[in-house]
Amino acid sequence: ETGVTQTPRHLVMGMTNKKSLKCEQHLGHNAMYWYKQSAKKPLELMFVYNFKEQTENNSVPSRFSPECPNSSHLFLHLHTLQPEDSALYLCASSQGGTVYNSPLHFGNGTRLTVT
Amino acid sequence: AQSVTQLGSHVSVSEGALVLLRCNYSSSVPPYLFWYVQYPNQGLQLLLKYTSAATLVKGINGFEAEFKKSETSFHLTKPSAHMSDAAEYFCAVSDPFTGGGNKLTFGTGTQLKVEL
Repeated sequence: ETGVTQTPRHLVMGMTNKKSLKCEQHLGHNAMYWYKQSAKKPLELMFVYNFKEQTENNSVPSRFSPECPNSSHLFLHLHTLQPEDSALYLCASSQGGTVYNSPLHFGNGTRLTVT
Repeated sequence: AQSVTQLGSHVSVSEGALVLLRCNYSSSVPPYLFWYVQYPNQGLQLLLKYTSAATLVKGINGFEAEFKKSETSFHLTKPSAHMSDAAEYFCAVSDPFTGGGNKLTFGTGTQLKVEL
Protein backbone atom coordinates (compact mmCIF):
# COMPACT_ATOMS: atom_id res chain seq x y z
CA GLU A 1 0.00 0.00 0.00
CA THR A 2 1.35 3.43 -0.91
CA GLY A 3 0.67 7.01 0.12
CA VAL A 4 -1.11 8.18 3.24
CA THR A 5 -3.89 6.04 4.68
CA GLN A 6 -6.40 7.25 7.25
CA THR A 7 -8.84 5.15 9.23
CA PRO A 8 -11.70 5.20 9.82
CA ARG A 9 -13.12 7.15 6.86
CA HIS A 10 -16.23 8.05 8.81
CA LEU A 11 -16.81 8.32 12.56
CA VAL A 12 -19.88 9.28 14.55
CA MET A 13 -19.38 9.76 18.26
CA GLY A 14 -21.22 11.16 21.21
CA MET A 15 -19.79 13.94 23.30
CA THR A 16 -18.82 11.55 26.10
CA ASN A 17 -17.09 8.98 23.91
CA LYS A 18 -13.39 8.37 23.45
CA LYS A 19 -12.14 7.47 20.01
CA SER A 20 -8.94 7.61 17.99
CA LEU A 21 -8.09 8.49 14.41
CA LYS A 22 -5.22 6.66 12.77
CA CYS A 23 -2.87 7.75 10.01
CA GLU A 24 -0.11 5.73 8.33
CA GLN A 25 2.28 6.86 5.62
CA HIS A 26 4.33 4.65 3.31
CA LEU A 27 6.37 7.43 1.68
CA GLY A 28 9.45 7.35 3.86
CA HIS A 29 8.68 10.80 5.24
CA ASN A 30 9.67 12.10 8.64
CA ALA A 31 7.17 14.89 9.22
CA MET A 32 3.47 14.33 9.85
CA TYR A 33 0.57 16.71 10.32
CA TRP A 34 -3.04 16.94 11.41
CA TYR A 35 -5.28 19.48 9.69
CA LYS A 36 -8.94 20.26 10.37
CA GLN A 37 -11.21 21.14 7.47
CA SER A 38 -14.55 22.69 8.39
CA ALA A 39 -17.17 23.93 5.97
CA LYS A 40 -16.54 27.47 4.73
CA LYS A 41 -13.30 27.85 6.71
CA PRO A 42 -9.66 27.55 5.60
CA LEU A 43 -7.78 24.41 6.47
CA GLU A 44 -6.52 24.74 10.02
CA LEU A 45 -3.18 23.27 10.99
CA MET A 46 -3.51 21.47 14.32
CA PHE A 47 -0.24 19.65 15.00
CA VAL A 48 3.14 19.04 13.40
CA TYR A 49 5.52 16.21 14.21
CA ASN A 50 9.08 16.14 12.94
CA PHE A 51 11.06 12.94 13.50
CA LYS A 52 8.46 11.88 16.12
CA GLU A 53 8.79 15.11 18.10
CA GLN A 54 5.87 17.52 18.29
CA THR A 55 7.01 20.85 16.90
CA GLU A 56 3.71 22.68 16.58
CA ASN A 57 0.51 22.79 18.56
CA ASN A 58 -1.68 25.46 17.03
CA SER A 59 -3.61 26.28 20.23
CA VAL A 60 -5.65 23.11 19.90
CA PRO A 61 -8.01 22.27 22.83
CA SER A 62 -6.79 19.50 25.09
CA ARG A 63 -9.73 17.28 24.11
CA PHE A 64 -7.57 16.54 21.04
CA SER A 65 -4.47 14.56 21.94
CA PRO A 66 -1.97 13.58 19.24
CA GLU A 67 0.47 10.69 19.38
CA CYS A 68 3.34 9.88 17.04
CA PRO A 69 5.00 6.59 18.02
CA ASN A 70 7.23 6.56 14.92
CA SER A 71 7.70 8.49 11.70
CA SER A 72 5.16 6.34 9.85
CA HIS A 73 2.24 6.50 12.24
CA LEU A 74 0.20 9.31 13.69
CA PHE A 75 -2.86 9.17 15.92
CA LEU A 76 -5.37 11.71 17.11
CA HIS A 77 -7.09 10.73 20.34
CA LEU A 78 -10.47 12.32 20.90
CA HIS A 79 -12.45 12.69 24.11
CA THR A 80 -15.38 14.79 25.32
CA LEU A 81 -15.73 16.51 21.97
CA GLN A 82 -18.20 19.25 21.14
CA PRO A 83 -20.57 19.40 18.16
CA GLU A 84 -18.46 22.19 16.64
CA ASP A 85 -15.61 19.68 16.37
CA SER A 86 -17.48 17.93 13.57
CA ALA A 87 -15.26 18.26 10.50
CA LEU A 88 -13.00 16.45 8.08
CA TYR A 89 -9.69 15.63 9.75
CA LEU A 90 -6.82 15.33 7.33
CA CYS A 91 -3.48 13.73 7.95
CA ALA A 92 -0.46 14.63 5.84
CA SER A 93 3.22 13.82 5.61
CA SER A 94 6.31 15.39 4.07
CA GLN A 95 10.07 15.28 4.23
CA GLY A 96 11.39 15.97 7.69
CA GLY A 97 13.68 18.79 8.69
CA THR A 98 13.43 22.39 7.54
CA VAL A 99 12.57 21.65 3.92
CA TYR A 100 10.16 24.41 2.99
CA ASN A 101 9.77 23.35 -0.62
CA SER A 102 8.64 19.85 0.31
CA PRO A 103 4.98 19.36 -0.57
CA LEU A 104 2.57 17.72 1.82
CA HIS A 105 0.94 14.47 0.84
CA PHE A 106 -2.56 14.06 2.23
CA GLY A 107 -4.73 11.13 3.17
CA ASN A 108 -8.42 11.01 2.28
CA GLY A 109 -9.44 12.16 5.73
CA THR A 110 -11.79 11.04 8.47
CA ARG A 111 -15.24 12.61 8.42
CA LEU A 112 -16.08 13.12 12.09
CA THR A 113 -19.58 13.83 13.32
CA VAL A 114 -20.11 14.65 17.00
CA THR A 115 -23.67 14.17 18.23
CA ALA B 1 3.14 35.52 8.78
CA GLN B 2 2.63 34.26 5.28
CA SER B 3 -0.86 34.24 3.76
CA VAL B 4 -2.66 33.58 0.50
CA THR B 5 -5.86 35.06 -0.87
CA GLN B 6 -7.96 33.28 -3.42
CA LEU B 7 -10.30 35.60 -5.27
CA GLY B 8 -13.62 34.01 -6.09
CA SER B 9 -14.94 31.19 -3.96
CA HIS B 10 -16.85 29.83 -6.97
CA VAL B 11 -15.81 29.85 -10.62
CA SER B 12 -17.92 28.44 -13.44
CA VAL B 13 -16.60 27.74 -16.96
CA SER B 14 -17.85 25.93 -20.01
CA GLU B 15 -16.21 22.70 -21.09
CA GLY B 16 -13.34 23.56 -23.42
CA ALA B 17 -12.96 27.10 -22.06
CA LEU B 18 -9.95 28.57 -20.29
CA VAL B 19 -9.70 27.98 -16.57
CA LEU B 20 -8.21 30.80 -14.48
CA LEU B 21 -8.10 30.52 -10.70
CA ARG B 22 -6.53 33.41 -8.86
CA CYS B 23 -4.12 33.36 -5.94
CA ASN B 24 -2.22 36.25 -4.39
CA TYR B 25 0.29 35.74 -1.64
CA SER B 26 1.84 37.72 1.13
CA SER B 27 5.25 36.62 2.29
CA SER B 28 8.14 38.20 4.14
CA VAL B 29 10.60 35.82 2.50
CA PRO B 30 10.88 34.37 -1.02
CA PRO B 31 7.85 32.11 -1.06
CA TYR B 32 7.33 28.49 -1.87
CA LEU B 33 3.85 28.14 -3.34
CA PHE B 34 1.61 25.18 -4.03
CA TRP B 35 -1.69 24.40 -5.72
CA TYR B 36 -3.78 21.48 -4.52
CA VAL B 37 -7.02 19.97 -5.80
CA GLN B 38 -9.67 18.26 -3.70
CA TYR B 39 -12.32 16.03 -5.22
CA PRO B 40 -15.45 15.18 -3.22
CA ASN B 41 -14.83 12.88 -0.27
CA GLN B 42 -11.09 12.86 -0.84
CA GLY B 43 -8.00 14.50 0.56
CA LEU B 44 -5.89 17.14 -1.15
CA GLN B 45 -3.79 16.18 -4.15
CA LEU B 46 -0.77 18.20 -5.22
CA LEU B 47 -1.17 19.82 -8.65
CA LEU B 48 2.08 21.75 -8.81
CA LYS B 49 4.62 23.69 -6.78
CA TYR B 50 6.80 26.76 -7.21
CA THR B 51 10.21 26.52 -5.62
CA SER B 52 12.05 29.36 -7.41
CA ALA B 53 13.56 27.24 -10.20
CA ALA B 54 11.26 28.58 -12.96
CA THR B 55 8.46 31.11 -12.90
CA LEU B 56 6.16 29.04 -15.13
CA VAL B 57 5.36 25.78 -13.45
CA LYS B 58 3.65 22.87 -15.15
CA GLY B 59 1.62 20.42 -13.14
CA ILE B 60 -0.56 17.40 -13.57
CA ASN B 61 -3.77 17.20 -15.61
CA GLY B 62 -2.70 20.03 -17.94
CA PHE B 63 -2.60 22.74 -15.28
CA GLU B 64 0.11 25.33 -14.99
CA ALA B 65 0.78 28.38 -12.86
CA GLU B 66 2.95 31.44 -13.28
CA PHE B 67 4.78 33.11 -10.42
CA LYS B 68 4.76 36.90 -10.77
CA LYS B 69 6.73 38.60 -8.04
CA SER B 70 5.74 42.10 -9.12
CA GLU B 71 2.08 41.19 -8.73
CA THR B 72 2.57 38.80 -5.78
CA SER B 73 0.45 36.34 -7.72
CA PHE B 74 0.47 32.64 -8.54
CA HIS B 75 -2.60 32.10 -10.69
CA LEU B 76 -3.56 28.64 -11.89
CA THR B 77 -4.59 28.11 -15.51
CA LYS B 78 -5.65 25.39 -17.88
CA PRO B 79 -6.26 26.10 -21.57
CA SER B 80 -9.28 23.84 -21.97
CA ALA B 81 -11.56 22.75 -19.12
CA HIS B 82 -12.80 19.21 -18.87
CA MET B 83 -15.77 17.96 -16.87
CA SER B 84 -13.38 15.98 -14.69
CA ASP B 85 -11.74 19.24 -13.54
CA ALA B 86 -14.75 20.08 -11.39
CA ALA B 87 -13.37 20.16 -7.85
CA GLU B 88 -12.15 22.53 -5.18
CA TYR B 89 -8.75 24.12 -5.65
CA PHE B 90 -6.50 25.42 -2.89
CA CYS B 91 -3.49 27.68 -3.07
CA ALA B 92 -0.94 27.39 -0.26
CA VAL B 93 2.28 29.07 0.87
CA SER B 94 5.04 27.69 3.06
CA ASP B 95 5.21 29.35 6.44
CA PRO B 96 8.83 28.97 7.54
CA PHE B 97 9.35 27.96 11.10
CA THR B 98 12.27 26.39 12.86
CA GLY B 99 10.46 23.38 14.25
CA GLY B 100 10.94 21.17 11.24
CA GLY B 101 8.52 20.01 8.60
CA ASN B 102 6.73 22.36 6.25
CA LYS B 103 3.83 24.38 7.63
CA LEU B 104 1.51 25.31 4.80
CA THR B 105 -0.99 28.14 5.05
CA PHE B 106 -3.94 27.55 2.76
CA GLY B 107 -6.34 29.87 1.03
CA THR B 108 -10.06 29.48 1.46
CA GLY B 109 -10.41 27.52 -1.77
CA THR B 110 -12.14 28.00 -5.12
CA GLN B 111 -14.88 25.64 -6.21
CA LEU B 112 -14.63 25.08 -9.96
CA LYS B 113 -17.76 24.10 -11.84
CA VAL B 114 -17.54 22.94 -15.44
CA GLU B 115 -20.67 23.15 -17.54
CA LEU B 116 -21.53 21.51 -20.83
